[in-house]
Amino acid sequence: AQSVTQLDSQVPVFEEAPVELRCNYSSSVSVYLFWYVQYPNQGLQLLLKYLSGSTLVESINGFEAEFNKSQTSFHLRKPSVHISDTAEYFCAVTASGSARQLTFGSGTQLTVLP
Amino acid sequence: EAEVAQSPRYKITEKSQAVAFWCDPISGHATLYWYRQILGQGPELLVQFQDESVVDDSQLPKDRFSAERLKGVDSTLKIQPAELGDSAMYLCASSPRQGITDTQYFGPGTRLTVL
Repeated sequence: AQSVTQLDSQVPVFEEAPVELRCNYSSSVSVYLFWYVQYPNQGLQLLLKYLSGSTLVESINGFEAEFNKSQTSFHLRKPSVHISDTAEYFCAVTASGSARQLTFGSGTQLTVLP
Repeated sequence: EAEVAQSPRYKITEKSQAVAFWCDPISGHATLYWYRQILGQGPELLVQFQDESVVDDSQLPKDRFSAERLKGVDSTLKIQPAELGDSAMYLCASSPRQGITDTQYFGPGTRLTVL
């Protein structure tokens, strides 16, 4: 079985400042990693994913995450945040060979302050 | 852009009553998932369908929860009787298949409050 730990439940940051949301996972087999974002009163949306290949993956709105196998991490970063980035962010993992079942972390609420 | 539809968006009920949630996945998506998200936690999978068949319901409390997808399209999740601990957001998601490259698309959820 796999598990995900998001170390920070809330992250406040000022607009245009950089941010890192931390995610660590545990699994006995190879994994695939995802970040989902949930805006208020909306469903979860896929932000980015790591399946294979380059360990650095990027989203269309400036976020990036790096898969670090030795540290079992998949931290999410953005060099300059906007007010519109305020949302809850969930890290998720699925193990190779599973029926595509996602295991989610408990989420990090990112609040961008003016 | 096609979306996953869920209804109702909000439901308030008293304990011991029956409740039902409906989900209409994106057209053509063979795989459908029901998740439960308790406040302050991440979503947890309750049941997964491939077409009309259940792939995994190991986390579904079968004494009170049931789920069906009779024609392999829309799905209903039922709780009977509801308990106070069932208060949560119930999320439905769908994907084209259950392959690892298939993104899961989530609906807006149904927020259940049991009094």
